Amino acid sequence: ETGVTQTPRHLVMGMTNKKSLKCEQHLGHNAMYWYKQSAKKPLELMFVYSLEERVENNSVPSRFSPECPNSSHLFLHLHTLQPEDSALYLCASSQAGSYEQYFGPGTRLTVT
Amino acid sequence: EDQVTQSPEALRLQEGESSSLNCSYTVSGLRGLFWYRQDPGKGPEFLFTLYSAGEEKEKERLKATLTKKESFLHITAPKPEDSATYLCAVQIYGNNRLAFGKGNQVVVIP
Repeated sequence: ETGVTQTPRHLVMGMTNKKSLKCEQHLGHNAMYWYKQSAKKPLELMFVYSLEERVENNSVPSRFSPECPNSSHLFLHLHTLQPEDSALYLCASSQAGSYEQYFGPGTRLTVT
Repeated sequence: EDQVTQSPEALRLQEGESSSLNCSYTVSGLRGLFWYRQDPGKGPEFLFTLYSAGEEKEKERLKATLTKKESFLHITAPKPEDSATYLCAVQIYGNNRLAFGKGNQVVVIP
């Protein structure tokens, strides 16, 4: 695998489900990001991890819970989501201190 | 409030018809401006970083320029494979985040 990978690529879940999104980077970076992309809106930064510490939490509801066990892996745990949470969730990585971010292909999430 | 505005929102070009995309920003203390390309169903792909007014970067048919208030992405003699959404983002001093614009959706017709 090369670059940034995300699984699953598509996810449909009910409002009472619990699921997790996974991101893995193979670039030797040490900063990782979660973004939300909704139609007709700019990318919204959700979380930033640098050197495995969370350095940014952009007022994201607690139904989204990130986890960064090491510099190569990032998870987004989801529970009791709302239909308005349906979106493309993108993971990115970079070297800490650099903002040349490299993105994964995203997970298309649909909440029913 | 800091803001990034991209125009036009959508653009249809004939193959070979050169054009420019605009990204204007109102931020205090620009540290860098970034251009990304995003194809449908995929994540953004990094294209360029510009750091100071007057700087230019080129890649194939794309050329990015930067002034104190805006950046342009010039597409010279585009081909259908240049069809994509182009995203502009700025990084501000003292801030961990990139602020993105809504994007320029470009369609190049053969």
